[in-house]
Amino acid sequence: DGGITQSPKYLFRKEGQNVTLSCEQNLNHDAMYWYRQDPGQGLRLIYYSQIVNDFQKGDIAEGYSVSREKKESFPLTVTSAQKNPTAFYLCASEGTGNQPQHFGDGTRLSIL
Amino acid sequence: AQRVTQPEKLLSVFKGAPVELKCNYSYSGSPELFWYVQYSRQRLQLLLRHISRESIKGFTADLNKGETSFHLKKPFAQEEDSAMYYCALSGQGGFQKLVFGTGTRLLVSP
Repeated sequence: DGGITQSPKYLFRKEGQNVTLSCEQNLNHDAMYWYRQDPGQGLRLIYYSQIVNDFQKGDIAEGYSVSREKKESFPLTVTSAQKNPTAFYLCASEGTGNQPQHFGDGTRLSIL
Repeated sequence: AQRVTQPEKLLSVFKGAPVELKCNYSYSGSPELFWYVQYSRQRLQLLLRHISRESIKGFTADLNKGETSFHLKKPFAQEEDSAMYYCALSGQGGFQKLVFGTGTRLLVSP
């Protein structure tokens, strides 16, 4: 399912550094989501956007920021305020008409 | 509060044995339930959803509102079924946030 592309696949962050994870989709989906996946905790919602130039906080938004300037793109910034950023990050998109969410391959973020 | 509970972290069975992955939920209202699957080195993908009432790869799941359960079943497991399975729920209509369970790893041995 090449409709959603996440990059990079692996990312390393230094202390005090902000890093940005990319998520692009060519499915013409209106909604996009960012999840964090930790071992034994399943997926938790960070931020989501249902339309361009609008987004809402999910359950664990602290230390993260997003933007939605284009329909195709929903980048996630992990700020230095996120004290435990090491995790696997998944992006998803969803079309209208009660469609299921489609997921990307994910980005694994680690701390140097 | 919305919650999905998958009590088993790991379920190990032999090929040809029946499989049941448990999922219980709490939700005030009428949720929509899903099973997502993640095979090794593949992305997370939808396996089935309760509104479709279909069997995918031999798997079925019935929504039991009385027991607030959505267990995933397959009568005869195959080795290629080995994967991580996540139960999830959302509200109905429009774009809805998904709430995921913690996942169950299914291991099917020959």
